[in-house]
Amino acid sequence: DAKTTQPPSMDCAEGRAANLPCNHSTISGNEYVYWYRQIHSQGPQYIIHGLKNNETNEMASLIITEDRKSSTLILPHATLRDTAVYYCIVRVAWGGSQGNLIFGKGTKLSVKP
Amino acid sequence: DTEVTQTPKHLVMGMTNKKSLKCEQHMGHRAMYWYKQKAKKPPELMFVYSYEKLSINESVPSRFSPECPNSSLLNLHLHALQPEDSALYLCASSQGPLRAQGEKLFFGSGTQLSVL
Repeated sequence: DAKTTQPPSMDCAEGRAANLPCNHSTISGNEYVYWYRQIHSQGPQYIIHGLKNNETNEMASLIITEDRKSSTLILPHATLRDTAVYYCIVRVAWGGSQGNLIFGKGTKLSVKP
Repeated sequence: DTEVTQTPKHLVMGMTNKKSLKCEQHMGHRAMYWYKQKAKKPPELMFVYSYEKLSINESVPSRFSPECPNSSLLNLHLHALQPEDSALYLCASSQGPLRAQGEKLFFGSGTQLSVL
């Protein structure tokens, strides 16, 4: 079973920030939070990942709460091309297991003009 | 080159046919993956190859047979499929096995398979 809970869908106005929440209340100390997105008819695309600290890259920012039980992906200025399904995934980073990427149901983000 | 290329993009096959899906990457990645995605569902892991050896088979039926001829190529051989096997088949690669922090998957655009 997926270890994350996300709202099934969200809307966002073009040009505004899109804030996508994710609950991962059973996350372990050695598990990272990853975000991928899947635009229609394409394969999933890596966005960002983090452990404890907030992270930012050219695509998005990731805010992780201090207790690590939830996180928020922020797209600072959403465009129509950001319409996609966004997957929040937790996985083991170290250790003997493969730490495979197991997808949950994701959030369908619709960016509207 | 940061692409994972999958061919064909679309495939229609009968239940008695034998066909193959092909995946190629030239990023020097040493781990490759097959995922299956039904409509409006998340991708499901099928197989993982690490350094050209099969490391994970997620209890996939034997009518799906993976093959990794070299570090750049991954095939999925299909035989005697059922209509419920119709799905988008996604290939992915990563630099190494997903045990390292920061290791990420690069996905192809998939093969849309229809079994009649």
